[in-house]
Amino acid sequence: KAGVTQTPRYLIKTRGQQVTLSCSPISGHRSVSWYQQTPGQGLQFLFEYFSETQRNKGNFPGRFSGRQFSNSRSEMNVSTLELGDSALYLCASSLQAGSDYEQYFGPGTRLTVT
Amino acid sequence: SQQGEEDPQALSIQEGENATMNCSYKTSINNLQWYRQNSGRGLVHLILIRSNEREKHSGRLRVTLDTSKKSSSLLITASRAADTASYFCATDNAGNNRKLIWGLGTSLAVNP
Repeated sequence: KAGVTQTPRYLIKTRGQQVTLSCSPISGHRSVSWYQQTPGQGLQFLFEYFSETQRNKGNFPGRFSGRQFSNSRSEMNVSTLELGDSALYLCASSLQAGSDYEQYFGPGTRLTVT
Repeated sequence: SQQGEEDPQALSIQEGENATMNCSYKTSINNLQWYRQNSGRGLVHLILIRSNEREKHSGRLRVTLDTSKKSSSLLITASRAADTASYFCATDNAGNNRKLIWGLGTSLAVNP
């Protein structure tokens, strides 16, 4: 099976712009989670989608949003970018929603905000 | 805020030695997972241990869970240079909001 894919892999944006990141889960996986990883804060949970519905949300401002399509592919959007949004954004897929299942991670999108 | 905290933050050992890293958490959990992250393979799942289990093995990996102390340990036996990576524990909570919360990781260097 192909693994989790994320596009783009690298992105440079300017403060105030918006960005959309894409994630394609492993075939058959219906749950997609998004994380932000920074050296100081580690992995921070953003949100989880299952069957096109947001099942769980982390403590991020409303500038961070996401969605999931009927084929389980997911996108996350960050509007009005701030310097502090520079991070590695990881997408993970799993068979079902919730914490009982192992997560399979993509390679991440490295976002740099200047 | 972190639910899990790994200890030590960094560990350097020689090939062939065993490596032990610990994870402590704050609230009751349903399960605890260990992951490894290196530049070559990204973030990879190692072991999931449920709250009613005390020990699990996978190859050279051994994970223990002590729910009374709210702690877990990951033992890597006969380490190899390829084990050089950051190791993270991730816990959920026993309530309804069952998202995974991650520690900051232990950075392991295995020297040839």
